[in-house]
Amino acid sequence: GENVEQHPSTLSVQEGDSAVIKCTYSDSASNYFPWYKQELGKRPQLIIDIRSNVGEKKDQRIAVTLNKTAKHFSLHITETQPEDSAVYFCAASWGTYKYIFGTGTRLKVLA
Amino acid sequence: GAGVSQSPSNKVTEKGKDVELRCDPISGHTALYWYRQSLGQGLEFLIYFQGNSAPDKSGLPSDRFSAERTGGSVSTLTIQRTQQEDSAVYLCASSDRQGMNEQYFGPGTRLTVT
Repeated sequence: GENVEQHPSTLSVQEGDSAVIKCTYSDSASNYFPWYKQELGKRPQLIIDIRSNVGEKKDQRIAVTLNKTAKHFSLHITETQPEDSAVYFCAASWGTYKYIFGTGTRLKVLA
Repeated sequence: GAGVSQSPSNKVTEKGKDVELRCDPISGHTALYWYRQSLGQGLEFLIYFQGNSAPDKSGLPSDRFSAERTGGSVSTLTIQRTQQEDSAVYLCASSDRQGMNEQYFGPGTRLTVT
């Protein structure tokens, strides 16, 4: 069935270093890949998304890359700051209604 | 403008009781989603509404769970005969189109079944 795997489950980096979170999806029909950030006790919020006709997208310190052949996509955060500490979720959508979320990555940025 | 709101924010109930959770989506958003998030876990898809209809209810964990949406706006998620394993945060999200579009999440309802 449809599945999204996310790794790692936890990630600790020093402030200023880069962080990379990876997701793989099972359904080759997937065509929309959002990333959500959830701070402790708060609701998930979209931080960046990519559609299947694009290989990379950047927004300041955040970038997402997509490899459709390998069916994986990654979130890259550069120059990490303490406020980047949160749980990050990837998701894949099939252009209809259904989103499948990954299991989340808890990122800790150490000052 | 107003975001997605949910009520109550917290609900403690005894095992076996019924509960109703409410979601008010962003005005004009036609798509509405319910998710369940257990402690430290990911987002489990429960059900989706396009307008007032729910094309796919297969994500609902059991027949104790039901949901409805009226007037293309407010939605309620009902859990009958609650069990301890129903304890979780129930998140609602809305979107102005189905699929391939940002979902705006509500603050969630934390349900505790004692």
